[in-house]
Amino acid sequence: AQTVTQSQPEMSVQEAETVTLSCTYDTSENNYYLFWYKQPPSRQMILVIRQEAYKQQNATENRFSVNFQKAAKSFSLKISDSQLGDTAMYFCAFMKPSHLDMRFGAGTRLTVKP
Amino acid sequence: EAGVAQSPRYKIIEKRQSVAFWCNPISGHATLYWYQQILGQGPKLLIQFQNNGVVDDSQLPKDRFSAERLKGVDSTLKIQPAKLEDSAVYLCASSLDFSGTDTQYFGPGTRLTVL
Repeated sequence: AQTVTQSQPEMSVQEAETVTLSCTYDTSENNYYLFWYKQPPSRQMILVIRQEAYKQQNATENRFSVNFQKAAKSFSLKISDSQLGDTAMYFCAFMKPSHLDMRFGAGTRLTVKP
Repeated sequence: EAGVAQSPRYKIIEKRQSVAFWCNPISGHATLYWYQQILGQGPKLLIQFQNNGVVDDSQLPKDRFSAERLKGVDSTLKIQPAKLEDSAVYLCASSLDFSGTDTQYFGPGTRLTVL
C-alpha cells in the first residue's frame, strides 16, 4: 500500500522568505503522480503543483517549486517570496495512474508571519 | 467557470440519525470523488464515480454509507445510522476525465458533527 508522510505538522516563515515543506512516500510503483494541495482556512483545497514520476525535471509554478528525488522517494515543496496568502494547510498526495485513489499525507500547517 | 458545489456546509446530528450530503460537480466533469477528512488528517477517498458508474468504493463503509450519482451529474452521499467517529469534513471533487493528468477540483466541503 502506498503511504505518504509529512513529518512537519506545523511550520512558520517570515513574509518574503523561503520555506521548504517535506514529504516522503512509499511505493513499489515506477510510474505515478505526486501533488501538493493547499487548503486555506475555511476555504477549499486547490492544486498547487503536480509532478509526473517519469519526468526528471522538477515542476515549477511561479513561486512554487518541487525537489523530486525518485530514488529517495522524497517530494519537497519550496515556496519562495512567501506571502501572507500562502498561510494554509499543505497536503502532499500520491496517485497511481492505473488506480485513481489519491493518498494524502496528514498535512503541514504553514503560517506566514508579517 | 463555476466550481464544485456542496450542501449543506455544516450539519450537526445525533448518533444513530441519518444524514445526506449533496454535490454538484463542475459542468462536463465525468469523474466525481467523495473524500472524508477527519480533523488533523488528510482526506481519504471513500468512493469515485465515472459518469454514473462506481469505479472504486473499496474504502466506503458500506454497512452505513451509501452514495449514488444518478444521470452522471449530481451525487449524494448518505450515512445511516451515523456514529460519533463519522464526525469529519466530507469533500467532493471532480475531474474532467478518468486520468491522472486531470486536476481534481474540490468543493468547500460539508462539516459533519455527530453528537
